[in-house]
Amino acid sequence: EAAVTQSPRNKVTVTGGNVTLSCRQTNSHNYMYWYRQDTGHGLRLIHYSYGAGNLQIGDVPDGYKATRTTQEDFFLLLELASPSQTSLYFCASSDAGGYAETLYFGSGTRLTVL
Amino acid sequence: AQKVTQTQTSISVMEKTTVTMDCVYETQDSSYFLFWYKQTASGEIVFLIRQDSYKKENATVGHYSLNFQKPKSSIGLIITATQIEDSAVYFCAMESGSFNKLTFGAGTRLAVCP
Repeated sequence: EAAVTQSPRNKVTVTGGNVTLSCRQTNSHNYMYWYRQDTGHGLRLIHYSYGAGNLQIGDVPDGYKATRTTQEDFFLLLELASPSQTSLYFCASSDAGGYAETLYFGSGTRLTVL
Repeated sequence: AQKVTQTQTSISVMEKTTVTMDCVYETQDSSYFLFWYKQTASGEIVFLIRQDSYKKENATVGHYSLNFQKPKSSIGLIITATQIEDSAVYFCAMESGSFNKLTFGAGTRLAVCP
């Protein structure tokens, strides 16, 4: 069973603040993803990566940076947080054996920007 | 562009009955993959079932099955003999065009009542 761990579980910051969300997966999956979940929109892809040092832009990247430092670790950075970034953030990973690989999700980070 | 639409915001059913959740999708690709994921009350998101577009047979896993109607770009999730623990939010998703990149619908909240 894939293990994906996110930290922190909850985060409150102010407008203009600097926030880093962390994600670690322990099953040597190649792909890692950051999604945000908002009512009425489901899960929307922010950034993803297929290996250390790689970064791919998702569907809603504005205001976010990401960095994949190792096979295990993927970070999401909000350098000037805005209230519109208040959301539930999920990290996920998948193997790269082929198409249609199952995503394994972390438990989520709830971010509130005041 | 890929799009996944779940029009049912919430559904309520009695325990031990059968429920169908609707999902329609848009894609220009001839080959694609469709998924259903479940988000429990605790927030955990898990993979349920998948349908490959080139397969005519509907996928079945346990008491989950799919109603794949390719001409209608529709992939319904059927849960038979529902249980209280099936109460959750169900997301439809599609992988199309971009390798290992999923587009999710907005989700359908299912309540199973005793």
